[in-house]
Amino acid sequence: GDSVTQTEGLVTLTKGLPVMLNCTYQTTYSPFLFWYVQHLNEAPKLLLKSSTDNKRTEHQGFYATLHKSSSSFHLQKSSVQLSDSALYFCALRGGSGTYQRFGTGTKLQVVP
Amino acid sequence: GGIITQTPKFLIGQEGQKLTLKCQQNFNHDTMYWYRQDSGKGLRLIYYSITENDLQKGDLSEGYDASREKKSSFSLTVTSAQKNEMAVFLCASSIVGTGGIYAEQFFGPGTRLTVL
Repeated sequence: GDSVTQTEGLVTLTKGLPVMLNCTYQTTYSPFLFWYVQHLNEAPKLLLKSSTDNKRTEHQGFYATLHKSSSSFHLQKSSVQLSDSALYFCALRGGSGTYQRFGTGTKLQVVP
Repeated sequence: GGIITQTPKFLIGQEGQKLTLKCQQNFNHDTMYWYRQDSGKGLRLIYYSITENDLQKGDLSEGYDASREKKSSFSLTVTSAQKNEMAVFLCASSIVGTGGIYAEQFFGPGTRLTVL
């Protein structure tokens, strides 16, 4: 079946450094992926979603590229800010297209 | 724009009790979802409903019932609360159809359950 793997549970970084949060997937369907962000005591909200193979998508300084060859959709930012501290979920469109399968999430903690 | 409302915000129950969580959305979305969020386990799908009167089981449906009373509302029942259970239940909605296959989900603020 479909699955999403996020290998890091917690990432701690100093403000201003680059970050990459890993997301790999398995599916027998054409892949479509999402990144959601959840700040403390808030609801998750969409950060960005995938486009075509090898095309980068960007939003609010974050970017990700779908690579079908490696089944990956890693989230990156060139310079993290304190306000980026949050829980980040990668999600894969389910086979039927009407649901999404979420990864376990990565908590990003940015320190001064 | 729109909003998703979940009630109650906090729910405290006793072991074995039947507990109901409610969700309302005014996006006019077709599809609604219930997720359970546990620390370190991400969001696990309990039930979803593609349209009014439809119900689909997710990966975690055992121990839960759901009801889609009308397009705007979706309820979840914990059939028998487990002692010391603590979790956040999130409701979400999205459009469905050709565009809905790729549509984002909009989430409510959650109901935090504690079972004594």
